[in-house]
Amino acid sequence: DAEITQSPRHKITETGRQVTLACHQTWNHNNMFWYRQDLGHGLRLIHYSYGVHDTNKGEVSDGYSVSRSNTEDLPLTLESAASSQTSVYFCASSEQGNEQYFGPGTRLTVT
Amino acid sequence: AQSVAQPEDQVNVAEGNPLTVKCTYSVSGNPYLFWYVQYPNRGLQFLLKYITGDNLVKGSYGFEAEFNKSQTSFHLKKPSALVSDSALYFCAVRDPTGGSYIPTFGRGTSLIVHP
Repeated sequence: DAEITQSPRHKITETGRQVTLACHQTWNHNNMFWYRQDLGHGLRLIHYSYGVHDTNKGEVSDGYSVSRSNTEDLPLTLESAASSQTSVYFCASSEQGNEQYFGPGTRLTVT
Repeated sequence: AQSVAQPEDQVNVAEGNPLTVKCTYSVSGNPYLFWYVQYPNRGLQFLLKYITGDNLVKGSYGFEAEFNKSQTSFHLKKPSALVSDSALYFCAVRDPTGGSYIPTFGRGTSLIVHP
């Protein structure tokens, strides 16, 4: 069965370190998205991609970057982790504008 | 512009009773509407969608939703709630005329089903 996976599932890092969160989907979807989920803020879009070599900023993109070198993967990089980036991160994919399929999430703690 | 509102942070219902989780939306054209469920420590899971056609949409786990254009609503319903339905529910909307594939999510409604 097709799926979307994220790794690691939990990560603790120190302020200032670079961190990369992996996202891999086997749906063969062109669209991929990264969200963060925080209490009181719901889901907020960080970055998204409509295909290979395409990346776009979402509403909370400062301090984050993504790259899309193939259809399956959209890694999210925190250039210099900050405590404000402590959150749960979700990757999602979709075909055209249809429903999104979400990964299990990565819980990131920045100390 | 597109927006969605879930007016209730929490809904409490007794097991066996019908449940409703409310959602209202705003788009300039005809909306694409979605419901998702999130169980603790899990990602969001797609439940059902309305694109076009019959206003009553049936989805997974016995859930259904009714699209009401005049009231700009898309409420999620289930005839008989289960304790296992307790979770966080998100409504989402997308305006297909804008050229963007990005939906707008509501803040979520916590559904608690009491035994």
